[in-house]
Amino acid sequence: SAVISQKPSRDICQRGTSLTIQCQVDSQVTMMFWYRQQPGQSLTLIATANQGSEATYESGFVIDKFPISRPNLTFSTLTVSNMSPEDSSIYLCSVDTGVANEKLFFGSGTQLSVL
Amino acid sequence: RKEVEQDPGPFNVPEGATVAFNCTYSNSASQSFFWYRQDCRKEPKLLMSVYSSGNEDGRFTAQLNRASQYISLLIRDSKLSDSATYLCVVTFYGQNFVFGPGTRLSVLP
Repeated sequence: SAVISQKPSRDICQRGTSLTIQCQVDSQVTMMFWYRQQPGQSLTLIATANQGSEATYESGFVIDKFPISRPNLTFSTLTVSNMSPEDSSIYLCSVDTGVANEKLFFGSGTQLSVL
Repeated sequence: RKEVEQDPGPFNVPEGATVAFNCTYSNSASQSFFWYRQDCRKEPKLLMSVYSSGNEDGRFTAQLNRASQYISLLIRDSKLSDSATYLCVVTFYGQNFVFGPGTRLSVLP
């Protein structure tokens, strides 16, 4: 397994501002993912954070709104830009252990409320 | 059609009961299968992988039927601490973990 530190754990933000969420892993991992979980819903993949290249975004998510950094194999950030109340959600960082039997492990999540 | 579908729930069962959750997936080329557990306001945590031969971990048994594209999770002798949302997860060559909508379980005293 992997130990994943995600921060902040929660934040309350004003409309129009941006928030950057950080994710630190205790070991080098190839695949890092950012998910969103809206209230009462399951997880939706935002993007895959690739080390050394642009993130790969899923349908409905764009880089201008959710810029992602992946400077090395243990760290990534997700920024939620120009926030609106519709962005209120839990944002989760996750890693794929990348061995023969892939498994996904999650950070503790960031509870974001936009006023 | 959604890629991964689960029993809508919620399931409200008494302590000690046996409960089964079902999950179906649409991509016949799906490669790996998992059950995750998510407590309220917490991150999902891996409960168990699901293998073709079926696998058991204590009170939990997972089954996979590739022909029917169907996964199940059986919980025996339910405990209060089993109350959570159970997420079925399917991958295609590990490139895309697709989560089902989850089934909520409440074990009642």
